Amino acid sequence: QLQLQESGPKLVKPSETLSLTCSVSGGSISGNNYYWAWIRQPPGKGLEWIGSFHSSGNTYYNPSLKSRVLISAHTSRAQFSLRLNSVTAADTALYYCARRVVVVVPGTATYWYFDLWGRGTLVTVSS
Amino acid sequence: QSVLTQPPSVSAAPGQKVTISCSGSSSNIGNYYVSWYQQVPGTAPKVLIFANDKRPSVIPDRFSGSKSGTSATLGITGLRTGDEADYYCATWDSSVSGVVFGGGTRLTVL
Repeated sequence: QLQLQESGPKLVKPSETLSLTCSVSGGSISGNNYYWAWIRQPPGKGLEWIGSFHSSGNTYYNPSLKSRVLISAHTSRAQFSLRLNSVTAADTALYYCARRVVVVVPGTATYWYFDLWGRGTLVTVSS
Repeated sequence: QSVLTQPPSVSAAPGQKVTISCSGSSSNIGNYYVSWYQQVPGTAPKVLIFANDKRPSVIPDRFSGSKSGTSATLGITGLRTGDEADYYCATWDSSVSGVVFGGGTRLTVL
């Protein structure tokens, strides 16, 4: 059973860099049918997609965060990471890593969904 | 402000049916499949519906999804107290080239 686990500092100072790692156990992060994502949820608020990474090297970011975000992968260690620069209190959130499975149906459109999620890690931005 | 609009809250009595709407536009729901997620407080989201109306095998058929034009709907029948949770719709948006979520709907089973 594939499992995802987020790890990293739980307290980050304003203007510094938030760094998190997602470790995937029971499998790998290779494979054409999967994107690996970071999603966050500020306390008491909704979900916000941060970005996704594919083992081919393709990476997609939320335009509102793109200038500050980097998602990278360490395929041999079955890990992928998030770096968010110049953080402020508004970046305080529960950060999830998740797997997005993509299904190509011949003759029709492609669909996807997030089928696996980590438990999330709360990161607080405060001095 | 979310790209996809959901009602902040819905409520119904145990055993009743409820629907949750998700309204978008041609750059998202109108041209892409929708998925729905349930988030019980204190836990990670879980997929309920994918590709507009398909359920993972572990999800009971009390949960259903549909899409028409630029809107999608999640239906839940035979409500139980255990269904109390936040529900989110999600899809792709071509105008931002990324995943967008609805703002979430809190379901209360009275």
